[in-house]
Amino acid sequence: DTGVSQDPRHKITKRGQNVTFRCDPISEHNRLYWYRQTLGQGPEFLTYFQNEAQLEKSRLLSDRFSAERPKGSFSTLEIQRTEQGDSAMYLCASSLRSDEQFFGPGTRLTVL
Amino acid sequence: RKEVEQDPGPFNVPEGATVAFNCTYSNSASQSFFWYRQDCRKEPKLLMSVYSSGNEDGRFTAQLNRASQYISLLIRDSKLSDSATYLCVVNKETGRRALTFGSGTRLQVQP
Repeated sequence: DTGVSQDPRHKITKRGQNVTFRCDPISEHNRLYWYRQTLGQGPEFLTYFQNEAQLEKSRLLSDRFSAERPKGSFSTLEIQRTEQGDSAMYLCASSLRSDEQFFGPGTRLTVL
Repeated sequence: RKEVEQDPGPFNVPEGATVAFNCTYSNSASQSFFWYRQDCRKEPKLLMSVYSSGNEDGRFTAQLNRASQYISLLIRDSKLSDSATYLCVVNKETGRRALTFGSGTRLQVQP
């Protein structure tokens, strides 16, 4: 499979726990993005990496959220002290040179 | 005002019909425009980029009107498989990579 992959696909956690999601972009893509999507809404931008540098962050990305892309390949998104409002689909996308972004299948987070 | 506004629908059309969706955006500095398609509980998939001159891909035609800040998508000869949510997408501003998505327009093509 040469598309964007994400792991896990589903995560159920209790409020207050930490969770970490992984994204593997399309192999030659140097740009990687994280979005969050809730029911009935379009995806909302969270953050953007070009290679290993985190170049853009949304104000939606509170102090409890952190993202890394240490070697410019895969990326992780960590949410600390999860809250029920964090329940959403977390989508990763990648692109090469243009703004045309290709999305992974997402990680569905449920916070109980 | 939302940055990208779309009629949520649903648009219920018979097979073979022509259907058009419009979307308006608020940031006149936006430079990149797209239509994405999203099936229920799946990830968004790029349908087509929208260029100033307009573009066509088979049954799909996209138009951009910068003066009025709206984007349109026309689907001709609708198929059952076209049933999905169509997301209008613009970049936030020149030089920024973040994309802003509309909430989507739901299309249901009926036999």
